[in-house]
Amino acid sequence: KAGVTQTPRYLIKTRGQQVTLSCSPISGHRSVSWYQQTPGQGLQFLFEYFSETQRNKGNFPGRFSGRQFSNSRSEMNVSTLELGDSALYLCASSLKVGGVVYEQFFGPGTRLTVL
Amino acid sequence: AQKVTQAQTEISVVEKEDVTLDCVYETRDTTYYLFWYKQPPSGELVFLIRRNSFDEQNEISGRYSWNFQKSTSSFNFTITASQVVDSAVYFCALSEAGETSGSRLTFGEGTQLTVNP
Repeated sequence: KAGVTQTPRYLIKTRGQQVTLSCSPISGHRSVSWYQQTPGQGLQFLFEYFSETQRNKGNFPGRFSGRQFSNSRSEMNVSTLELGDSALYLCASSLKVGGVVYEQFFGPGTRLTVL
Repeated sequence: AQKVTQAQTEISVVEKEDVTLDCVYETRDTTYYLFWYKQPPSGELVFLIRRNSFDEQNEISGRYSWNFQKSTSSFNFTITASQVVDSAVYFCALSEAGETSGSRLTFGEGTQLTVNP
């Protein structure tokens, strides 16, 4: 079974630009979550999508947004990039059945550098 | 609010030594899940174990073992006979149960484990 894939793996942007990152979950997984990892703040939850709906959101500004498609693939978008947005962005997928919390499987991440 | 604390920032051991990584958590929920992940230099987080709050039975998987104690809110991870390939950052994480919150992992700061030959 193929794992979680993320594209692109590396991205360099300048301040003020916007960026879109893509994530394809493991086949059969309908829940996709996004995390930001930085040396200063560690791993922080951005948001979760399930059945094309945002189910949970972390404490990030509105410049961070996402969506999920009918095939469970997800994209996240960051507008008006700031230097502090430089980070490793990780996508994770998991099964989601009722209130049971299953393990999340992570992709390799997208390394975003904002200049 | 949930919180996970990994007080050990860095641990360095010599190959074949046993090493225990500490994890202390805080939550007001009675039903929750605990996880350990490994992040090697490649950057990808690798799932190691999931444990729910009603299952305090300790677990052993090969060289890995986990000690879950609700009384002290701890979920410690031990590697027996460490190997150089175990070198990585290890994260402990917590998640509440429930359809709306269940996929939100709160991570600890991570412990950098270096196993020297």
